[in-house]
Amino acid sequence: QSALTQPPSASGSPGQSVTISCTGTSSDVGGYNYVSWYQQHPGKAPKVMIYEVSKRPSGVPDRFSGSKSGNTASLTVSGLQAEDEADYYCNSYAGSNNFVFGTGTKVTVL
Amino acid sequence: QLQLQESGPGLVKPSETLSLTCTVSGGSIITRAYYWGWIRQPPGKELQWIGSIYYSGSTYYNPSLKSRVTISVDTSNNHFSLKLTSVTAADTAVYYCARHFLTGYADYWGQGTLVTVSS
Repeated sequence: QSALTQPPSASGSPGQSVTISCTGTSSDVGGYNYVSWYQQHPGKAPKVMIYEVSKRPSGVPDRFSGSKSGNTASLTVSGLQAEDEADYYCNSYAGSNNFVFGTGTKVTVL
Repeated sequence: QLQLQESGPGLVKPSETLSLTCTVSGGSIITRAYYWGWIRQPPGKELQWIGSIYYSGSTYYNPSLKSRVTISVDTSNNHFSLKLTSVTAADTAVYYCARHFLTGYADYWGQGTLVTVSS
């Protein structure tokens, strides 16, 4: 299984919005509503920000939202803040109890 | 509060077997809703799911690693383990253990442990 495709980088000024895409196939992203998004700061473990495409775990700000259309999922961060600067990875169920991560996107707050 | 902690050698020689253990504290590994997984991240690269285990012992492996991976669970001691055989430099990575739902939603992670493959 190949990694899901994400843009290498994205950026925005404080207060702006940034959207990250995650493109897979009908065997993973397109086939299941089981896409999750993880935020990772340097040297730290990933932290889940969105699960099952658009659900937010308790404690995650509502500035983070997720969606999906066809084989592409998206994460939008609204009202960018300095602490949102991090790497973001998508993850999708790929059938038969397999999972695949995305290539990762570095978000920079200008 | 649930905590996961990886442990094991930080240096493994090429062709040998990498062995790590994830100790779970603050909760039982015998929980029907959850799976227990291993994920790795080579330096500067993306995350890669290695495999997962259910408390009953059912295992699920990344097809690309399946021939070299074994994950086991010890419910008596509340931990699960990873073995990766015939390692090469390409297996150098930070290895994380995590708790996740069947959907892949991983809500608790260990801090990660760097394993370097080198002679």
